[in-house]
Amino acid sequence: QKEVEQDPGPLSVPEGAIVSLNCTYSNSAFQYFMWYRQYSRKGPELLMYTYSSGNKEDGRFTAQVDKSSKYISLFIRDSQPSDSATYLCAMSGEDDKIIFGKGTRLHILP
Amino acid sequence: DAGVTQSPTHLIKTRGQQVTLRCSPKSGHDTVSWYQQALGQGPQFIFQYYEEEERQRGNFPDRFSGHQFPNYSSELNVNALLLGDSALYLCASSWGGGAEKTEAFFGQGTRLTVV
Repeated sequence: QKEVEQDPGPLSVPEGAIVSLNCTYSNSAFQYFMWYRQYSRKGPELLMYTYSSGNKEDGRFTAQVDKSSKYISLFIRDSQPSDSATYLCAMSGEDDKIIFGKGTRLHILP
Repeated sequence: DAGVTQSPTHLIKTRGQQVTLRCSPKSGHDTVSWYQQALGQGPQFIFQYYEEEERQRGNFPDRFSGHQFPNYSSELNVNALLLGDSALYLCASSWGGGAEKTEAFFGQGTRLTVV
């Protein structure tokens, strides 16, 4: 079993829809949870950073962490064509080593 | 604030050659980590440098080595290049000196092609 599982997609949704992206993980030592956005041939851009369980909201983005289920989510409201990218979930424990999912390719259709 | 900067942006090397990639961390950061991202995959952790020492290492062979300088900048060296080393190499910086963790910010990467 991989440490972090993420559906690679692609996921296509119409503009304005709510997007839901998810990851599961197996290592209970993970405490820090992140979502990165990566455009083609660019470096990952940090979107959300959360510690332990709970919700965090930033503009159109909401991150949820459920440590009891080892499940994290990212919701994007009012999706825009510019949100089309690959979204990487990532997590780490006290050792600072970040483990990434494979990434989900998202297409927002105008 | 220039953020994390990496050089060069693109590089083409021949099998068996050696390559050096460079990274300057975000201002105020003292920890540099290197990742390899193959096409269609998530980044894979190579190693991390803090206070000029390799603090931890991922599952990569000894052909991959690094260095951190007193100004916190870092180099990644890969010897005896293989075709499979072709990837996007990413540098991430963070502040690792205190008890509280900080986010890791990534550079734009160096795309290495081995022919």
